[in-house]
Amino acid sequence: KNQVEQSPQSLIILEGKNCTLQCNYTVSPFSNLRWYKQDTGRGPVSLTIMTFSENTKSNGRYTATLDADTKQSSLHITASQLSDSASYICVVSVGRDTGTYKYIFGTGTRLKVLA
Amino acid sequence: GAGVSQSPSNKVTEKGKDVELRCDPISGHTALYWYRQSLGQGLEFLIYFQGNSAPDKSGLPSDRFSAERTGGSVSTLTIQRTQQEDSAVYLCASLRGGRADTQYFGPGTRLTVL
Repeated sequence: KNQVEQSPQSLIILEGKNCTLQCNYTVSPFSNLRWYKQDTGRGPVSLTIMTFSENTKSNGRYTATLDADTKQSSLHITASQLSDSASYICVVSVGRDTGTYKYIFGTGTRLKVLA
Repeated sequence: GAGVSQSPSNKVTEKGKDVELRCDPISGHTALYWYRQSLGQGLEFLIYFQGNSAPDKSGLPSDRFSAERTGGSVSTLTIQRTQQEDSAVYLCASLRGGRADTQYFGPGTRLTVL
């Protein structure tokens, strides 16, 4: 069964601190993996995308890693800001690079950054 | 605006009533998805439209749910005879299609069935 699991379920950190969110997946055939940020009351917004051959991708203070052998990904947030408070969702695309259209969503990690 | 829009933003209805949720995708995007997001759950795929192809309806939970996309643009998700378990946020996403498959999500419609 195609599945994406995220941990922790929720996380509280102080402003300025770093944190790492985890994503484990059992999806076949794997196409790519994305991390999304979802602010309260909004739709998810894409942060990073990684294909099978990529093992790290950065977007500002966000750095995602992918280990295709262990089927694990992480999202590292550096020097957190209050605006980072949101849910972070790991999404894995099912299928080949052509014709991919199915996405498996994790349940997300709810991050709260405190002043 | 340049993004995906959805309406209404909130909908409260009584059990047994029908509801229509609307999605305006980004202009030129050929693919459109509907998802349902329940509290504490991941996004649940409902239906997928790609160009003029027949939609993939495999995620619709029952025959009370239907969706259409007119003219390859606006889409409407209809839920007939709503039940309390239909309460959720319904999200729409569009993408250009093909290999550049980043989904752009709308803000969602929060549906509450009393």
